[in-house]
Amino acid sequence: QLQLVGSGGGVVQPGWSLRLSCAASGFTFRNYPMHWVRQAPGKGLEWVARTSYDEYSKFYADSVKGRFTISRDNSKNTLYLQMDSLRPEDTAVYYCARAPSPYSGGSPSFLDYWGQGTLVTVSS
Amino acid sequence: EIVLTQPPGTLSLSPGERATLSCRASQSVSSNLAWYQQKPGQAPRLLIYGASSRATGIPDRFSGSGSGTDFTLTIRRLEPEDFAVYYCQQYGSSPLTFGGGTKVEIK
Repeated sequence: QLQLVGSGGGVVQPGWSLRLSCAASGFTFRNYPMHWVRQAPGKGLEWVARTSYDEYSKFYADSVKGRFTISRDNSKNTLYLQMDSLRPEDTAVYYCARAPSPYSGGSPSFLDYWGQGTLVTVSS
Repeated sequence: EIVLTQPPGTLSLSPGERATLSCRASQSVSSNLAWYQQKPGQAPRLLIYGASSRATGIPDRFSGSGSGTDFTLTIRRLEPEDFAVYYCQQYGSSPLTFGGGTKVEIK
């Protein structure tokens, strides 16, 4: 059964860093592009970042460019989001999600499976 | 960036009624549009992709239509488990963008 399990969220102060993880199972992780999407409390969905299956292509939302870094370890079936210089407006539940087409690179896509989300709170 | 608008913000309907949800794009996305359902405390679930293709395991009471800039999600007869928030998402161009969502609530 396909699973995406997010972890690493917590409460941090503005300016601090945090690294989120997303452990994948039930499919051949190394073949699929992966995304991070976030949702501020009581708000809608905001796409954050995506990586191709081989990390050759990476894209970021303007709101996080230069502060967040998406990466993956295909030997560990794990996706990461390194978040630096955190701001209060980064407070959200962060979801990892899979794009459905294996071996695809930088093309935009819908997201067919989502993790359960991990909450990041940035507050002084 | 393509902006997606989902009026109205809330639909109040009764079980058994038909729900018609709208999503309008600020420029053409062709058929590169998906719909998701989200219940409180849960991750979004893919319902429709390619504007009209149902995702695996999605009941046939859910259907999608449209192309270009105007799209519709129809729920033929609302079941109790269908009361939730629905989001559209375009993948016609980067960055991916989502609509603000329509909440379908019990009348």
